[in-house]
Amino acid sequence: SAVISQKPSRDICQRGTSLTIQCQVDSQVTMMFWYRQQPGQSLTLIATANQGSEATYESGFVIDKFPISRPNLTFSTLTVSNMSPEDSSIYLCSAGGTYNEQFFGPGTRLTVL
Amino acid sequence: QKEVEQNSGPLSVPEGAIASLNCTYSDRGSQSFFWYRQYSGKSPELIMSIYSNGDKEDGRFTAQLNKASQYVSLLIRDSQPSDSATYLCAVTGGGNKLTFGTGTQLKVEL
Repeated sequence: SAVISQKPSRDICQRGTSLTIQCQVDSQVTMMFWYRQQPGQSLTLIATANQGSEATYESGFVIDKFPISRPNLTFSTLTVSNMSPEDSSIYLCSAGGTYNEQFFGPGTRLTVL
Repeated sequence: QKEVEQNSGPLSVPEGAIASLNCTYSDRGSQSFFWYRQYSGKSPELIMSIYSNGDKEDGRFTAQLNKASQYVSLLIRDSQPSDSATYLCAVTGGGNKLTFGTGTQLKVEL
């Protein structure tokens, strides 16, 4: 299974600012994903990070708010732009495995004041 | 809309008992099925995957899949306090995107 790291592990940010979250995988993977998990709730897929092309966003998520980069097969970033308190959440990246499974990073806990 | 349903619990079982966690899904085209364990404050950890009808065993865990009934379950034998966590059922169709259930909270009591 892939080993995934995320930075930062947590952050407290002011309203109106932006935060970029980094996700690093220890091996090359075709598929990387970004999720949001609100307290006490399940995971919601934000987008699929595609290497060499634009990310594919799920309904309710837009590129202007959540720009994603995927410069190579081991790294991706998610930016949360123009933050509001409603963006306070845990953001998780995952890497796709050989048989459709996904392996998750430790998450980034974001608090917006 | 593809849905994955789980009883939110909490499901309480005594130590040493069998815990039975259930999940139903709406998309008949679903092909891959997973169980993740999530401890409080941690990220989901893959514990079981199953792709064909029947049972799959791995240590104290058994996953069961019935595609005709659109039902997948997880049995945990000899439950331990360390098994106390939220268990997430996840399903995927022909692509790689996972749809997660809301999770079942399991409490194993001494």
